[in-house]
Amino acid sequence: EVQLVESGGDLVQPGESLRLSCAVSGFNFKSYAMSWVRQAPGKGLEWVSSITGSGDTTYYPDSLKGRFTISRDNSKNTLYLQMNSLRAEDTAVYYCAKNLIRTFDIWGQGTLVTVSS
Amino acid sequence: EIVMTQSPATLSVSPGERATLSCRASQSVISNLAWYQQKPGQAPRLLIYGASTRATGIPDRFSGSGSGTEFTLTISSLQSEDFAVYYCQQYKDRPLTFGGGTKVEI
Repeated sequence: EVQLVESGGDLVQPGESLRLSCAVSGFNFKSYAMSWVRQAPGKGLEWVSSITGSGDTTYYPDSLKGRFTISRDNSKNTLYLQMNSLRAEDTAVYYCAKNLIRTFDIWGQGTLVTVSS
Repeated sequence: EIVMTQSPATLSVSPGERATLSCRASQSVISNLAWYQQKPGQAPRLLIYGASTRATGIPDRFSGSGSGTEFTLTISSLQSEDFAVYYCQQYKDRPLTFGGGTKVEI
């Protein structure tokens, strides 16, 4: 069974950092690009970042470049998102997702990040 | 950045009826367009990619059409489990962008 299980979401103060993890099972992890997509409460979907199967190339929207870092450990079948200098507007459910081309065909259940003082 | 606009924001339909959802791109995305379904408290589910190719396990009552800047998702006969929010996404260019969603309600 294919599974993506996110963890690491928490309540943090503005300016703090957080690292999310996504444990993957059920498919050949290293063969697929992976992504993070977020959804603010009551809002739509926003692409956060993607990484190639080998991990050698990463992609971000300009709005997040420099604060967020995506990475992966193919020996552990795990995807990561390091988030620094968090802001209130980063409050969202963060989903990891397997890429199909540049769509997202398998999603985790999400992990909630709340940035508030 | 390619801006995706969905209409209507809310669509009220009855079970068994046909639903037609629209998605417009601010510039051509050719056929690099996907549709997702999201139910409350759940992750999105990929329905359609390549504008018209159903993802694995998606019933054939869901169909996608269009190219360039105008796209349509049609649900031929709404079932109770189809009431949800639907998002389109372009993947021609980064940043990958989503529409604001259409809520299909009774």
